[in-house]
Amino acid sequence: KAGVTQTPRYLIKTRGQQVTLSCSPISGHRSVSWYQQTPGQGLQFLFEYFSETQRNKGNFPGRFSGRQFSNSRSEMNVSTLELGDSALYLCASSLGVAGHQETQYFGPGTRLLVL
Amino acid sequence: AQKITQTQPGMFVQEKEAVTLDCTYDTSDPSYGLFWYKQPSSGEMIFLIYQGSYDQQNATEGRYSLNFQKARKSANLVISASQLGDSAMYFCAMREGGYSSASKIIFGSGTRLSIRP
Repeated sequence: KAGVTQTPRYLIKTRGQQVTLSCSPISGHRSVSWYQQTPGQGLQFLFEYFSETQRNKGNFPGRFSGRQFSNSRSEMNVSTLELGDSALYLCASSLGVAGHQETQYFGPGTRLLVL
Repeated sequence: AQKITQTQPGMFVQEKEAVTLDCTYDTSDPSYGLFWYKQPSSGEMIFLIYQGSYDQQNATEGRYSLNFQKARKSANLVISASQLGDSAMYFCAMREGGYSSASKIIFGSGTRLSIRP
């Protein structure tokens, strides 16, 4: 079974631009979560999508948005990029129905550098 | 509110020795799950092991075992016979909630483990 895939793997943007990251979950998984990882803030939860609906949301500004398609693939968008948005963005997929037993499986991440 | 604490920012261990990575948690929910992930320098988070709050026995997966002490709210990861490939960041994580709930996972700050040859 194929794992979680994320595209692109690396990205360089300039301040003010916007970016879209993509995540394809493991086949059969209906939940996709996004995380931002930086050396200073660690791993921070952005949002979770399940069946095309945002189910959980972290504490990030509205510049960060996402969506999920009917095939469970998800995209994350960051508008008006700031230098502080430079980070590793990780996507994780899970079945979406198992409560606290639910294990998330992560993709390789997208490294975003904002200049 | 749920909270995960990893107090060891970094550790050095000799190859073939066993190593224990500490994790304490705080939650008022009786239903929760604890997870450990490994993150090599490549960046991908690799799931290692899971322990449920109602599990009577400590979880084991190959060389990984979880020392679950519920009363002390600790969930330490034990790696037996460490190998050079075990050098990585290790994250402890927790998810609250019953079977059909949709709570999010929270992560600790991580421990960087370095294995010496």
